[in-house]
Amino acid sequence: KNQVEQSPQSLIILEGKNCTLQCNYTVSPFSNLRWYKQDTGRGPVSLTIMTFSENTKSNGRYTATLDADTKQSSLHITASQLSDSASYICVVRSSSGTYKYIFGTGTRLKVLA
Amino acid sequence: EAQVTQNPRYLITVTGKKLTVTCSQNMNHEYMSWYRQDPGLGLRQIYYSMNVEVTDKGDVPEGYKVSRKEKRNFPLILESPSPNQTSLYFCASSRQGKGGGELFFGEGSRLTVL
Repeated sequence: KNQVEQSPQSLIILEGKNCTLQCNYTVSPFSNLRWYKQDTGRGPVSLTIMTFSENTKSNGRYTATLDADTKQSSLHITASQLSDSASYICVVRSSSGTYKYIFGTGTRLKVLA
Repeated sequence: EAQVTQNPRYLITVTGKKLTVTCSQNMNHEYMSWYRQDPGLGLRQIYYSMNVEVTDKGDVPEGYKVSRKEKRNFPLILESPSPNQTSLYFCASSRQGKGGGELFFGEGSRLTVL
C-alpha cells in the first residue's frame, strides 16, 4: 500500500535553532517528492521538489534530502525564525497510470522566541 | 497573478441544504482536485480531475459530487450536507507531464454543517 509517514508529529524549538523533519514513503513507482509549508488556515505552498536522481536541494534556509534506496527524505531548517511556525507536509507523486499524490499527515512546527 | 480561487471562504449551513463550493484556476492546468483537512488526519483527497469531463474518486468521495465542464473550474457539490462534512476544504491544481506536478492550492473554504 502506498504510504507516506512523517515524524515527529509536532516539534517545538527556540528561535535560531536548527531542526530536521523526516519523511518515509513506500510509494511505487516513484515520480517525485515535494515538501509543502502550510501556515495555519492557509493553503499549502511548495518548498522543494526532489526527483529520483537528486539527493540534496536547498531553498534558502530549507534543505531537503532524498535517499531513494531507503525511501527516506528529510527537511532541514537552519536558523529557525518565528515565521517558520507552520505544518510541513511531505507529498509523494506516483507515476503509476494516472498520476497520484500521496500525502503525509504533516509535522507541526512551533518556533518560540 | 497565478492563483486558485475558492468561494465561499467561510460557510455555515444546516443539514440537508445543498451547497456548492466553487474553484477556479487561471494557470491552464489539466489536473484539479479537492481535499478536506481535519485535525490530526492531514489532507485527504475527495475527487480529482485529469482534464475536462474526466473525474475520479479520491479516498473520501462519499457525500460529494464534482463536475469538470471547463478546464478552469472544478466545483464541489454537497447535495445533502451532514455534520460530519464540517471541515476545511482545499482545491488544488497542477500542470501534468514532465516538469509538472506541483500542486497550487486555494486559500481554503471552512464549512460548518449544523
